[in-house]
Amino acid sequence: GQNIDQPTEMTATEGAIVQINCTYQTSGFNGLFWYQQHAGEAPTFLSYNVLDGLEEKGRFSSFLSRSKGYSYLLLKELQMKDSASYLCAPMDSNYQLIWGAGTKLIIKP
Amino acid sequence: GAVVSQHPSRVICKSGTSVKIECRSLDFQATTMFWYRQFPKQSLMLMATSNEGSKATYEQGVEKDKFLINHASLTLSTLTVTSAHPEDSSFYICSARSSSGGFQETQYFGPGTRLLVL
Repeated sequence: GQNIDQPTEMTATEGAIVQINCTYQTSGFNGLFWYQQHAGEAPTFLSYNVLDGLEEKGRFSSFLSRSKGYSYLLLKELQMKDSASYLCAPMDSNYQLIWGAGTKLIIKP
Repeated sequence: GAVVSQHPSRVICKSGTSVKIECRSLDFQATTMFWYRQFPKQSLMLMATSNEGSKATYEQGVEKDKFLINHASLTLSTLTVTSAHPEDSSFYICSARSSSGGFQETQYFGPGTRLLVL
């Protein structure tokens, strides 16, 4: 079957760095997306990885290891506005995104 | 770029009435649009996938006669919740993508529609 595994909740301090891990199992693979979802709002696109390695985009970086079925999202210089849920969504062979429950990130001052 | 709008943002209706939600891609042509439902503190649940000009593909357990989807153009898809009941109260979110292949598969989400059925 298809499966996503992310921590349910994480807490970090403003200004610090946090890494949100994701392991996945899908029927085929066409890349992996990370989305941010603030409470009560729709998800917004953060990053896309299809090849192994690190993609950096400002304060956010995303890493992928296809052989391990593993990805992480790295957030640097955390700000209070980064408090949100972070959704790891791999794409299967039918180009369908597979969604888990996401990781709720709580930032404390 | 890649802006998706949804209307209305909130709707309150009486049980038994029908509600139509519009999803528009404002600055790109969406060959495929998706409709999701999300209950509080739960993951996104894909309801159906629609391709422009063809019938929507519904996920298992989603009643196609209750959730009518029309994708009449490359920029507009509508979801009609027919004979709504209180258990249909949820956050409905659409997303759109432009074409096939890699990064082009990025789904961009509308802001969502919060439906409350009394």
